[in-house]
Amino acid sequence: QKEVEQNSGPLSVPEGAIASLNCTYSDRGSQSFFWYRQYSGKSPELIMFIYSNGDKEDGRFTAQLNKASQYVSLLIRDSQPSDSATYLCAVKDQSSYKLIFGSGTRLLVRP
Amino acid sequence: ETGVTQTPRHLVMGMTNKKSLKCEQHLGHNAMYWYKQSAKKPLELMFVYNFKEQTENNSVPSRFSPECPNSSHLFLHLHTLQPEDSALYLCASSQDIGGPQHFGDGTRLSIL
Repeated sequence: QKEVEQNSGPLSVPEGAIASLNCTYSDRGSQSFFWYRQYSGKSPELIMFIYSNGDKEDGRFTAQLNKASQYVSLLIRDSQPSDSATYLCAVKDQSSYKLIFGSGTRLLVRP
Repeated sequence: ETGVTQTPRHLVMGMTNKKSLKCEQHLGHNAMYWYKQSAKKPLELMFVYNFKEQTENNSVPSRFSPECPNSSHLFLHLHTLQPEDSALYLCASSQDIGGPQHFGDGTRLSIL
């Protein structure tokens, strides 16, 4: 059973801080990784995807991938209360096209 | 037009009813997906269509029946559902199968 693990949280950070969200996965051969943001009562929204080891930056968001350690993380710089949401990590199954989702980490940014 | 549109947004039905969920994507994508999201559980993939051909049925009970008449439209036909089928049903699409997926707003389904 291929799995994607996330701490359910809530992760609470003060406004302006860096929020660090982590995800580990079991399928060593996975090549594609995605982060989604889901506000309460809304659908998931794609934030970033990363395919190569290292960092990928987009505005206040940085995705970090370490395939050897099988983890992917999302950093949110200068966190804002509007960033408060559940963040879903998804990993593409190497043997198919399926995305395997984690249960999500709830982030709370305190004003 | 938003990228992926789902209707209805909310649906309440009895166990003996028949209803359909509709999804339409305006992104020119080739792959479409149905997911089920229940409280405290990860997103569960139900069905996948690629160029309107079904490529995946993820052991979904036959009371859920998908239909994909073309690459832009996807339906989920429901009949004789159970209370445990109450959930948020999400449609998604991607340019290529396995690529980044874009989700619709979902249909919140409640089975009485």
